Amino acid sequence: AQKVTQAQTEISVVEKEDVTLDCVYETRDTTYYLFWYKQPPSGELVFLIRRNSFDEQNEISGRYSWNFQKSTSSFNFTITASQVVDSAVYFCALSEAGFQKLVFGTGTRLLVSP
Amino acid sequence: DAGVIQSPRHEVTEMGQEVTLRCKPISGHNSLFWYRQTMMRGLELLIYFNNNVPIDDSGMPEDRFSAKMPNASFSTLKIQPSEPRDSAVYFCASSLRDRTYEQYFGPGTRLTVT
Repeated sequence: AQKVTQAQTEISVVEKEDVTLDCVYETRDTTYYLFWYKQPPSGELVFLIRRNSFDEQNEISGRYSWNFQKSTSSFNFTITASQVVDSAVYFCALSEAGFQKLVFGTGTRLLVSP
Repeated sequence: DAGVIQSPRHEVTEMGQEVTLRCKPISGHNSLFWYRQTMMRGLELLIYFNNNVPIDDSGMPEDRFSAKMPNASFSTLKIQPSEPRDSAVYFCASSLRDRTYEQYFGPGTRLTVT
């Protein structure tokens, strides 16, 4: 069965601090996809990144970076030099190959104060 | 390009009334998903379609819920009769099935059943 665990319910940081959001997943499949979505206070869900199980290279996009480690079944998300606009709920999600269903974690609420 | 369009954005109705939520996927996308978000259960998939055909409706709570996709550019989610426990935010998402499983979400419909 698929499962995504985001153990951090809420994180508070001050602007310019670095912050890492943890994501641990469970799946029996060898081929799967991992995602991060952002849900700002306005409520929409914004796609941030997709990673497939065969690609363990870390990815960097501006202030955002992602660390995928199959050995620990983790797909962590780091925001460098956080900004107030980063305040949102961040969801990690998993999809097994052949199944389009996204299984979401419970989300981590990030509060960045000035 | 327009993203996923959902209407209405907010719906307030009385218990027992019929509610219809609407979704227009991104043009060219051939998969469509309906999700529900609540505090208690988080984000959960209700049903999804590939090429207008329902593939997995195992997440539909009960017979009061039904979804249709009469063509590639329109889908509805209907609740009849509605109950207070149906109060939630309902998201529609679309993706290209033969690509990377990235799902793009609409702004959601916030449903309140009194």
